[in-house]
Amino acid sequence: KAGVTQTPRYLIKTRGQQVTLSCSPISGHRSVSWYQQTPGQGLQFLFEYFSETQRNKGNFPGRFSGRQFSNSRSEMNVSTLELGDSALYLCASSLGPTGGNTEAFFGQGTRLTVV
Amino acid sequence: DQQVKQNSPSLSVQEGRISILNCDYTNSMFDYFLWYKKYPAEGPTFLISISSIKDKNEDGRFTVFLNKSAKHLSLHIVPSQPGDSAVYFCAAYLTGTASKLTFGTGTRLQVTL
Repeated sequence: KAGVTQTPRYLIKTRGQQVTLSCSPISGHRSVSWYQQTPGQGLQFLFEYFSETQRNKGNFPGRFSGRQFSNSRSEMNVSTLELGDSALYLCASSLGPTGGNTEAFFGQGTRLTVV
Repeated sequence: DQQVKQNSPSLSVQEGRISILNCDYTNSMFDYFLWYKKYPAEGPTFLISISSIKDKNEDGRFTVFLNKSAKHLSLHIVPSQPGDSAVYFCAAYLTGTASKLTFGTGTRLQVTL
């Protein structure tokens, strides 16, 4: 059974550009959550999608957005990139909404560097 | 506002000894807690969890203890092995409301020979 796949693995962008990251969850999983990991901040919740609907959103500016497709694949978009957006972006998939006894499985992440 | 805190950024333990990783939380509404392990260049891997209705959960070498009155949980690894060297994150969430994981900042565990 394939795990969570995130593409691309590494990305370098220039300040002001926009970027789209992709996440393919485990087959059968309908919930996808996105997290940002920066040194000293741990993993910070960005948003969660379930059945193509955003269920929860973290405390990030509107430049961060996402969507989920009917096949449960999800994309995250960051517009007008800032240097501080440099981070590891992790995607987690689970059977249902993150929580309860539904363990979240993480992908390897996309390392975004903004220069 | 860091609702889940891991105050020790790093910990070094000898192989065969016990590793104790600590985590504190401020939101008394959290009712489920998890520990994740992360190797470099990989995503976090789920280790063990505990519901707020319990005070202990054990899975092989890993035991998680929860002290609700102190808003404190800990992960015990016995015996520690070199392969346990990784960054450990504790996480918490509220069921039925904002079902999203709130993570601590992580503790880097180094198990030495």
